[in-house]
Amino acid sequence: DTGVSQDPRHKITKRGQNVTFRCDPISEHNRLYWYRQTLGQGPEFLTYFQNEAQLEKSRLLSDRFSAERPKGSFSTLEIQRTEQGDSAMYLCASSLVDRREQFFGPGTRLTVL
Amino acid sequence: QKEVEQDPGPLSVPEGAIVSLNCTYSNSAFQYFMWYRQYSRKGPELLMYTYSSGNKEDGRFTAQVDKSSKYISLFIRDSQPSDSATYLCAITTSYGKLTFGQGTILTVHP
Repeated sequence: DTGVSQDPRHKITKRGQNVTFRCDPISEHNRLYWYRQTLGQGPEFLTYFQNEAQLEKSRLLSDRFSAERPKGSFSTLEIQRTEQGDSAMYLCASSLVDRREQFFGPGTRLTVL
Repeated sequence: QKEVEQDPGPLSVPEGAIVSLNCTYSNSAFQYFMWYRQYSRKGPELLMYTYSSGNKEDGRFTAQVDKSSKYISLFIRDSQPSDSATYLCAITTSYGKLTFGQGTILTVHP
């Protein structure tokens, strides 16, 4: 049973550039979640999918952020026109539809210069 | 006021000590409680999940929930240096997003 994987693990970009992250959930998990974690803080919810449907979005998810899960398997999170405040660890988690426990990937660490 | 409050520590204990980690929450709709362990620059790892008031034990770890006081705890017995990490409480109302505490940084020194 492979866990949640994320790619890339690290991304350094210049302010104003677009970045895209990928998450591959545990294979039988229907639900996929995105969180953001800044230094010294707990993860904050961004959005989640059940299969390909995006069911909830946080107000933290500004219009520069977009997430997709086109075939109900992997998901992508895109940030357009990155700002220095976007520097954080972006975490993906997955779960079964009838379970509350979420299993996290290793995260993608974004640094915006 | 944050929905979930957790003392960030840091907490430093000698090897073999009993560690107590705590969170309080404000929303009585929260019904499901988890503890995660996070090593530096890694993703959170699920340690314990519980949904009822009382205790749940798993090896050296015990999760305790008191819904009447909106207070949850994680106890670690016979702590080891490998337990040194950040411990996060996470709470949810139902299926969907988790609300996390700030995390408590724990160091167990030999």
